[in-house]
Amino acid sequence: AQSVTQLGSHVSVSEGALVLLRCNYSSSVPPYLFWYVQYPNQGLQLLLKYTTGATLVKGINGFEAEFKKSETSFHLTKPSAHMSDAAEYFCAVTLSGGSNYKLTFGKGTLLTVNP
Amino acid sequence: DVKVTQSSRYLVKRTGEKVFLECVQDMDHENMFWYRQDPGLGLRLIYFSYDVKMKEKGDIPEGYSVSREKKERFSLILESASTNQTSMYLCATFMTGSYNSPLHFGNGTRLTVT
Repeated sequence: AQSVTQLGSHVSVSEGALVLLRCNYSSSVPPYLFWYVQYPNQGLQLLLKYTTGATLVKGINGFEAEFKKSETSFHLTKPSAHMSDAAEYFCAVTLSGGSNYKLTFGKGTLLTVNP
Repeated sequence: DVKVTQSSRYLVKRTGEKVFLECVQDMDHENMFWYRQDPGLGLRLIYFSYDVKMKEKGDIPEGYSVSREKKERFSLILESASTNQTSMYLCATFMTGSYNSPLHFGNGTRLTVT
């Protein structure tokens, strides 16, 4: 079985500060990992994904995430927060090589950016 | 760009009513999903479909059913709506062939059952 834990349901940062959103996963086989972002009154959109290869993954809007197998983590970072980054962020996992595609989401982290 | 359209943005229904939520996609994707989103609970999978007339239960199928008569359309049905089904419902599609493909989401239907 696969699962995702996002530490912190709400993170608040100042504009220009580092953004760090934490995600830990549980998986019995190599996972595929994703970060999605949801802006107010919209559906989710893909921010970045890890499949295989390079463990540091770059996404849209200056975000990146690092896959650390030893820590079973896939934390999302951005060096300098912008007001437009205020949104809810979801980490998700699916299993590679499975017969069905089933994406399991974390409970989400709401990011607030203060001026 | 993939377009996933959910027919209603906001919906208000009464307890006991039969409710249909419609989702249409324009990219010929085989896979379609219905999620429910609640504060503090994230997204939970209700049902999914890998092909026309094919459906599988997700994690929380109780009280719901689905219909997939055409490839582009996936309907979520609340047989007898209850207040605990008040929620945001999200439809998503996915292209077969690669497990690292992203899901494409609609903008959601916010359903209130009174």
